[in-house]
Amino acid sequence: DQQVKQNSPSLSVQEGRISILNCDYTNSMFDYFLWYKKYPAEGPTFLISISSIKDKNEDGRFTVFLNKSAKHLSLHIVPSQPGDSAVYFCAASFNDYKLSFGAGTTVTVRA
Amino acid sequence: DSGVTQTPKHLITATGQRVTLRCSPRSGDLSVYWYQQSLDQGLQFLIQYYNGEERAKGNILERFSAQQFPDLHSELNLSSLELGDSALYFCASSARGSQTDTQYFGPGTRLTVL
Repeated sequence: DQQVKQNSPSLSVQEGRISILNCDYTNSMFDYFLWYKKYPAEGPTFLISISSIKDKNEDGRFTVFLNKSAKHLSLHIVPSQPGDSAVYFCAASFNDYKLSFGAGTTVTVRA
Repeated sequence: DSGVTQTPKHLITATGQRVTLRCSPRSGDLSVYWYQQSLDQGLQFLIQYYNGEERAKGNILERFSAQQFPDLHSELNLSSLELGDSALYFCASSARGSQTDTQYFGPGTRLTVL
């Protein structure tokens, strides 16, 4: 049962433009959300997180938005850079440490 | 480099066999997690240990077992292997194992069952 879904398997964006990655979840108990980035042959690397008491969290070029009523979160990357080409995973947890991951979105930044 | 090491990087074995995957957490981290990533799927949480004790279990099969040793390294044992067990197995560690602790992932072990 996939409780966290990333419906876009891939995204192609031009360098300097905005990348928007989307994630939907079904479990309304989730209260902590994260984005991880993964390069080939490496493990996922933590990018940014947001608690359910907030609706936005920003860290440099990365901003995560949370819409609890829609059970939806998104990651904005502005401006996109070639080094951002990677697989991005959305993850969520509730009241504990077990992370539920989405299937990932592959981002390709074109020069 | 996350500071989490996993060995071996690749493992090829046959159905019915047993293998052991090893993970060394980041220095100072007390909690270790195991995840399985099958083809084109997200990471599935298997099990978590904190300071040597099992803390949480996910969708871990009965054929799989794990432990965390006094030096905090962890091993994941997979037995009676089936073709469907072919996957990437990731280990992660965090400082205290709490919800908001960042989990740092190792590079993974790619298991191929033939």
